[in-house]
Amino acid sequence: AQTVTQSQPEMSVQEAETVTLSCTYDTSESDYYLFWYKQPPSRQMILVIRQEAYKQQNATENRFSVNFQKAAKSFSLKISDSQLGDAAMYFCAYTSGSRLTFGEGTQLTVNP
Amino acid sequence: NAGVTQTPKFRILKIGQSMTLQCTQDMNHNYMYWYRQDPGMGLKLIYYSVGAGITDKGEVPNGYNVSRSTTEDFPLRLELAAPSQTSVYFCASSLENWTGFNYEQYFGPGTRLTVT
Repeated sequence: AQTVTQSQPEMSVQEAETVTLSCTYDTSESDYYLFWYKQPPSRQMILVIRQEAYKQQNATENRFSVNFQKAAKSFSLKISDSQLGDAAMYFCAYTSGSRLTFGEGTQLTVNP
Repeated sequence: NAGVTQTPKFRILKIGQSMTLQCTQDMNHNYMYWYRQDPGMGLKLIYYSVGAGITDKGEVPNGYNVSRSTTEDFPLRLELAAPSQTSVYFCASSLENWTGFNYEQYFGPGTRLTVT
């Protein structure tokens, strides 16, 4: 069974600084997708970024970028120029078909 | 587009009561999902559906039932509510792409359920 592990239950960053959230996964599949979702206090799940496993280029969305290491099964999220609105729970997720498997989440605090 | 909508937003149930959580999407997505999220935890899949008339169990299906009579609606039924079902419930939907993969899932705002 696929598993997703986020080893940092909590992280903090100063406003305008950069922070990296870690995620590792276990799979025997060669084709799959990886996602980072953000869940602010409102509880709404918001897609931050998506990475297709067959693409070697790391995905980027404005201040958010990933470091995808397929051989190491690692998928970290880098947030640059952190803003107060980035404070949230971040979930890493994996799918090789129709079902998503989520990690346990990393609570990110942004200090002014 | 309203996206994925869920009702109610909050509900308190007594032990042994039953209820249905409603979920509707207007994006013509073929896949729909129900998750639960316990405090401080990630999301666990309860049931999912690949299209009208087809449903399948996820990781934690016990105590729940689903049906999918239309593309738009995917209600979740709780029978004989128990305190262990106190959680936040999320409905989601996605569209299968040409490769057979699903694009990202779109989530509803969640229903906070307390069973006492």
